[in-house]
Amino acid sequence: DIQMTQSPSSLSASVGDRVTITCRASQSISNYLNWYQQKSGKAPKLLIYSASSLQSGVPSRFSGSGSGTDFTLTISSLQPEDFATYYCQQSYNYRTFGQGTKLEIK
Amino acid sequence: QLPLQESGPGLVKPSETLSLSCTVSVVSISDSSYYWGWIRQPPGKDLEWIGSIHYNGHTYYNPSLQSRVTLSVDTSKKQVSLNLSSVTAADTAVYYCVRDQWELLVRRFDFWGQGILVTVSS
Repeated sequence: DIQMTQSPSSLSASVGDRVTITCRASQSISNYLNWYQQKSGKAPKLLIYSASSLQSGVPSRFSGSGSGTDFTLTISSLQPEDFATYYCQQSYNYRTFGQGTKLEIK
Repeated sequence: QLPLQESGPGLVKPSETLSLSCTVSVVSISDSSYYWGWIRQPPGKDLEWIGSIHYNGHTYYNPSLQSRVTLSVDTSKKQVSLNLSSVTAADTAVYYCVRDQWELLVRRFDFWGQGILVTVSS
């Protein structure tokens, strides 16, 4: 099984901050890496697919990068609506999610 | 109208079979680029992919759940179904129906249902 490890598990930041979340795969997954945002009580929402492609309708302040085993999600300037939990997910072999990163207001 | 809508009992007894359905609307269930999957999330915990099925019946399952999971598809009803047998309290979770795009360069869960909470309890 491919394990996905996110860091940090939680993060406090302020509106306007630049934030980076990392995700590491236990083996190479090429660029089969997606990022999701989940707000409390809601279904996750796809933000980034194939490591760096922005899903339609998602603000451009979200970006993704990486390939192989190491990936990052960056939010260039945090907005109030961005405080949520973020998950990475690999699609190289079956499907596996990271454990999530909870982004909280400082 | 939501593209994916889960339905089924919210309470299941231990050792019984959990059965859920997902009705697909707005989007086509027979598009060859997509599988239809299930993902669950225990309260306060992380997401776990259960399995996915193509409209032609091809399935792939999470190896950790494979022995207890059966997915099926009914294209005439535009429904995908999940059966999870021999449930325990550990199977208590919100269950999401998802569209699982599987193409050469793009593999993503791009549509999600709103989710349905299933509690396993006597």
